[in-house]
Amino acid sequence: KAGVTQTPRYLIKTRGQQVTLSCSPISGHRSVSWYQQTPGQGLQFLFEYFSETQRNKGNFPGRFSGRQFSNSRSEMNVSTLELGDSALYLCASSLTVVSAGGGGANVLTFGAGSRLTVL
Amino acid sequence: AQSVSQHNHHVILSEAASLELGCNYSYGGTVNLFWYVQYPGQHLQLLLKYFSGDPLVKGIKGFEAEFIKSKFSFNLRKPSVQWSDTAEYFCAVNNQAGTALIFGKGTTLSVSS
Repeated sequence: KAGVTQTPRYLIKTRGQQVTLSCSPISGHRSVSWYQQTPGQGLQFLFEYFSETQRNKGNFPGRFSGRQFSNSRSEMNVSTLELGDSALYLCASSLTVVSAGGGGANVLTFGAGSRLTVL
Repeated sequence: AQSVSQHNHHVILSEAASLELGCNYSYGGTVNLFWYVQYPGQHLQLLLKYFSGDPLVKGIKGFEAEFIKSKFSFNLRKPSVQWSDTAEYFCAVNNQAGTALIFGKGTTLSVSS
């Protein structure tokens, strides 16, 4: 069973440019989440998509956006890149969505990440 | 706001030593708790999870964790570490909506042979 696939794995951009990262979830997984990982801030939640709808968004500026397609593949875009956007961007997919109050839970499977360097 | 605290930033152990990594979370409602591991050059993988029931959960590679509700803690343990356990360990809790994970800052474990 193929895992979560992220492309590209590495990329270098300059300030002011924009970037689009792609994520293919595990077959059958309908929820896709994105996280930013940096040495200083650790892992921070960006947003989560389910059935092409953004269900939850973290505390990031509007320059960070995403979308999900009908085949559950997802893209995230960062516009007007800043030096501080240099990070490992992780995508995770899960099979079901958790209802508020707990019980069952999403178990996230992560991809290898896209490492973005902004110069 | 929910948060997760991992007490140790870097832990250095010799092989066969026992391990306990601390994790505390701040959220008074129902929680789902996780430990993830990131081996050098590899992606994040799930070590173990707690949803409900027995507060002592066992995961892969001999790891276990105990959920203590009164202490808001979910500490990770392993009786005898191996060199191959060298990695970064992350504790996480579901957010209130259940659609995202709140991660701790991580603990780097270095095991010398």
